[in-house]
Amino acid sequence: DAKTTQPNSMESNEEEPVHLPCNHSTISGTDYIHWYRQLPSQGPEYVIHGLTSNVNNRMASLAIAEDRKSSTLILHRATLRDAAVYYCILRDAISGNTPLVFGKGTRLSVIA
Amino acid sequence: SAVISQKPSRDICQRGTSLTIQCQVDSQVTMMFWYRQQPGQSLTLIATANQGSEATYESGFVIDKFPISRPNLTFSTLTVSNMSPEDSSIYLCSVSLWRGLGYTFGSGTRLTVV
Repeated sequence: DAKTTQPNSMESNEEEPVHLPCNHSTISGTDYIHWYRQLPSQGPEYVIHGLTSNVNNRMASLAIAEDRKSSTLILHRATLRDAAVYYCILRDAISGNTPLVFGKGTRLSVIA
Repeated sequence: SAVISQKPSRDICQRGTSLTIQCQVDSQVTMMFWYRQQPGQSLTLIATANQGSEATYESGFVIDKFPISRPNLTFSTLTVSNMSPEDSSIYLCSVSLWRGLGYTFGSGTRLTVV
């Protein structure tokens, strides 16, 4: 799987939007962009994924650059519960049922 | 998504002993994955457990140290053998119901070796 680069940490105020960047300059045409997050004392949980178009779900939005070399996870109104480590992971569409490979992720702190 | 029950949630063990961690999934899955998360670090894959065959271990992990059982499509165990303080970590299992999408993780086993 291609490599991703994320900032080590970010900080946000509660109820403000948060934009978590991810660079993936070596992404291939069949790589999906996945985001997972790990809340304190829990296992990682799925957030969102996309290929080319921007994606929205109840948790977040994923904005994908036109050249696909970067993406941004958007939390529209950060809450204290959103404090977690966020992982951006590339997965080839033909990876099938192979394990996720985690980078270091971004530790998001939310300030009340 | 699948629901995983992982036990124990935490344990404190004496060096030289072994601990077996269990993961029970509420759906049948072909592959189960075991990870280690050392303090302050990201997740590192230990092995992939496929029902009916030997587990496949990642570089740096060996079967004698981390034996894995996979007796059926809903259950797996990971044993941490002959423990030392360096084995103090969180151990997690994971599955995917939809061929590479929507992975689910257990809540983890926090192991402290003293």
